[in-house]
Amino acid sequence: DAGVTQSPTHLIKTRGQQVTLRCSPKSGHDTVSWYQQALGQGPQFIFQYYEEEERQRGNFPDRFSGHQFPNYSSELNVNALLLGDSALYLCASSSTRDSFNYGYTFGSGTRLTVV
Amino acid sequence: LAKTTQPVSMDSYEGQEVNITCSHNNIATNDYITWYQQFPSQGPRFIIQGYKTKVTNEVASLFIPADRKSSTLSLPRVSLSDTAVYYCLVGDERLTGGGNKLTFGTGTQLKVEL
Repeated sequence: DAGVTQSPTHLIKTRGQQVTLRCSPKSGHDTVSWYQQALGQGPQFIFQYYEEEERQRGNFPDRFSGHQFPNYSSELNVNALLLGDSALYLCASSSTRDSFNYGYTFGSGTRLTVV
Repeated sequence: LAKTTQPVSMDSYEGQEVNITCSHNNIATNDYITWYQQFPSQGPRFIIQGYKTKVTNEVASLFIPADRKSSTLSLPRVSLSDTAVYYCLVGDERLTGGGNKLTFGTGTQLKVEL
């Protein structure tokens, strides 16, 4: 099953460093969204990419940036890491071609710990 | 997106039916109701979606009254493996299909025991 693949699964970084997280969407999906989930909270929307452009953005600072490649895969970059950036980062994919919304498909996430 | 309110937690036993109710008083005409399930250290998984009345699939049923200000997710005969967080989301289906953002609350932690 070609679901959503995220890498790496776990990551430890130091404050001030930069990190890149990667996501391969489910086969047939063309839209990728990124979410941040702090412990005990629901996922919070960071941004969404479609046709290699950022289409929507949540309430996150410019330290959070992204990219989508022609093969629909995506990267999330976070600069100048803060302790508060420690969270589970989730990638979700969907298709603009679906005539019915079968919901987003989420990956298992990348657990980022900032020390 | 309409705000939703769910119980923080629920407890049940194996074999019982579990009903989780979600309030969404400000739901808009174009909004659909969607439920996701999340296990620890995994991404949320789509369970079911509906607009009105009743929707049923292989894992759950969704009951939506005529005024659509609330909805109830029904899980028949739960097992230990149904222990998870359940999120109720409300949004415009026309946008979510292609990709509107999903707004998650804190969800309902369901704990199933023997």
